[in-house]
Amino acid sequence: DTGVSQDPRHKITKRGQNVTFRCDPISEHNRLYWYRQTLGQGPEFLTYFQNEAQLEKSRLLSDRFSAERPKGSFSTLEIQRTEQGDSAMYLCASSPLDGVDEQYFGPGTRLTVT
Amino acid sequence: AQSVTQLGSHVSVSEGALVLLRCNYSSSVPPYLFWYVQYPNQGLQLLLKYTSAATLVKGINGFEAEFKKSETSFHLTKPSAHMSDAAEYFCAVSPKGTYKYIFGTGTRLKVLA
Repeated sequence: DTGVSQDPRHKITKRGQNVTFRCDPISEHNRLYWYRQTLGQGPEFLTYFQNEAQLEKSRLLSDRFSAERPKGSFSTLEIQRTEQGDSAMYLCASSPLDGVDEQYFGPGTRLTVT
Repeated sequence: AQSVTQLGSHVSVSEGALVLLRCNYSSSVPPYLFWYVQYPNQGLQLLLKYTSAATLVKGINGFEAEFKKSETSFHLTKPSAHMSDAAEYFCAVSPKGTYKYIFGTGTRLKVLA
């Protein structure tokens, strides 16, 4: 078990560009989550998948954000027309279907929008 | 809306001293509760969790937390701090019926030699 992986670990982009992040969960985990963490704050929930179905989205997830999990395995988070306020650490987590939802977190993707 | 409050964004303790990190939640129905630790440039790692079983929960690295419904608290303690405990600690709740976490703002623990 290699844990949750995220790619890239760091991304620098110019305002207005589109970016896409990838998350590979622990292989047997059905649930996948995206969070955003800004400096000095705790992670904030963005969205959640159970298998390929996106079951919950936060109000934080504006129209510029879209997440997919096409085959119930890896997930992508895309941000269109990035803004400086999008600069943050984007965290992915996964959890199994059974039991209490202990989430396993990846190392995150740090986005800097210049 | 449910919220989590962590009192003290920075806590300093001497090596060997008691560690106490505070967490209070707002909910009329006790949620599931978690403590995570985050080391620099690493992902969040689960320390312990409360899931409606024993109110005193033991976790990894000598940490434990006590769920107190009357005080809506879930404070994290460790009897004797070690230099390796220096990190940021997050309390999180998962309201029953949902799967998302609501995190506190975190407490950065500094351990003094």
